[in-house]
Amino acid sequence: AQTVTQSQPEMSVQEAETVTLSCTYDTSESDYYLFWYKQPPSRQMILVIRQEAYKQQNATENRFSVNFQKAAKSFSLKISDSQLGDAAMYFCAYGVGAQKLVFGQGTRLTINP
Amino acid sequence: DAGITQSPRHKVTETGTPVTLRCHQTENHRYMYWYRQDPGHGLRLIHYSYGVKDTDKGEVSDGYSVSRSKTEDFLLTLESATSSQTSVYFCAIGGTSGPRWTQYFGPGTRLLVL
Repeated sequence: AQTVTQSQPEMSVQEAETVTLSCTYDTSESDYYLFWYKQPPSRQMILVIRQEAYKQQNATENRFSVNFQKAAKSFSLKISDSQLGDAAMYFCAYGVGAQKLVFGQGTRLTINP
Repeated sequence: DAGITQSPRHKVTETGTPVTLRCHQTENHRYMYWYRQDPGHGLRLIHYSYGVKDTDKGEVSDGYSVSRSKTEDFLLTLESATSSQTSVYFCAIGGTSGPRWTQYFGPGTRLLVL
């Protein structure tokens, strides 16, 4: 069964600095998708960034980028120039085609002013 | 933002009563999902649908049923609510944005079973 592990329950960073959130997954599939979702106190699940496994190039969305290591089954999220609005729970998720997403347990990110 | 609404947004009910949660989408996506979110577990799939009247179970389906009679609506029913079903419930829709598959989430329903 596919599993997703986020080994950092909590992280904190100073405003304007860079932080990296870790995620590892286990799968026997060769073609799949990986996602990072942000959940602020409002509870809304907001898509931050996604990566297709067949693409070697790491995805980037403004201040958010990933380090996708397929052989190591690692998918970390880097947030540059952290802002107070980045404070939230961050979930890593894995999916194959239209099937369900498998989520990690989440990492709570605190931004210190 | 994807057009997904959930109703009700909050509900308090008593053990043993039936409860139905509704998810409505305006995106015409084929796939719809129900997840529950509990502390320490992230989100876990309850049921999903791959078309009108086509549904399948997820990893935590016991005590839940679903129905989908129209593309835009996906209902989750707790036949006889228990305290263990106190949770936050999220609906999601699955579709492609260009060539890329993504799931988009509704705002969630907080359910408290007393």
